[in-house]
Amino acid sequence: SQTIHQWPATLVQPVGSPLSLECTVEGTSNPNLYWYRQAAGRGLQLLFYSVGIGQISSEVPQNLSASRPQDRQFILSSKKLLLSDSGFYLCAWSGSLMNTEAFFGQGTRLTVV
Amino acid sequence: QKEVEQDPGPLSVPEGAIVSLNCTYSNSAFQYFMWYRQYSRKGPELLMYTYSSGNKEDGRFTAQVDKSSKYISLFIRDSQPSDSATYLCAMSYDYKLSFGAGTTVTVRA
Repeated sequence: SQTIHQWPATLVQPVGSPLSLECTVEGTSNPNLYWYRQAAGRGLQLLFYSVGIGQISSEVPQNLSASRPQDRQFILSSKKLLLSDSGFYLCAWSGSLMNTEAFFGQGTRLTVV
Repeated sequence: QKEVEQDPGPLSVPEGAIVSLNCTYSNSAFQYFMWYRQYSRKGPELLMYTYSSGNKEDGRFTAQVDKSSKYISLFIRDSQPSDSATYLCAMSYDYKLSFGAGTTVTVRA
């Protein structure tokens, strides 16, 4: 069966520090991968998605970037965090076909102080 | 205008009641419709998915899609305290999933 791992679960970082969040998927090949951010009391905002290694689509101009160095690995990064980067970050995967359901990791709660 | 609008709630219902959750959307390109349940500080969990208009049942849950009205619903019958969570509607086209803001439901014992 497929599983998705996301870490760390909680992170407190100072303003201006770098960020690296990692997500890996097991049990499937060539998944579509997604990074979402969820602000308190709000819905999920799509940040990046990837349909293959090295293929990254950005949905919203951000202080963030994403990379997919391996088929089942998706990384969210920032060179210098802002206070506004605080939030709940979720990684998700879906099958390689369009229009399939997505499955989420357990999320990383990031607080920038 | 947001692509997906979801009734904000919150909803508080007694145990055993029917919970009704609704979303509307503006983009007719959406082809796949999903409902997720999210407990506090956890990732969303897929509850149901469908791609056709009409009703789909799974136990106590019924998902309803009306593409002509651009409207989807989720009904929870015989609600339990364990159903207390935030429910998110989601829709997809062309690899992208768009979500509603979520409705927080509390089922009172």
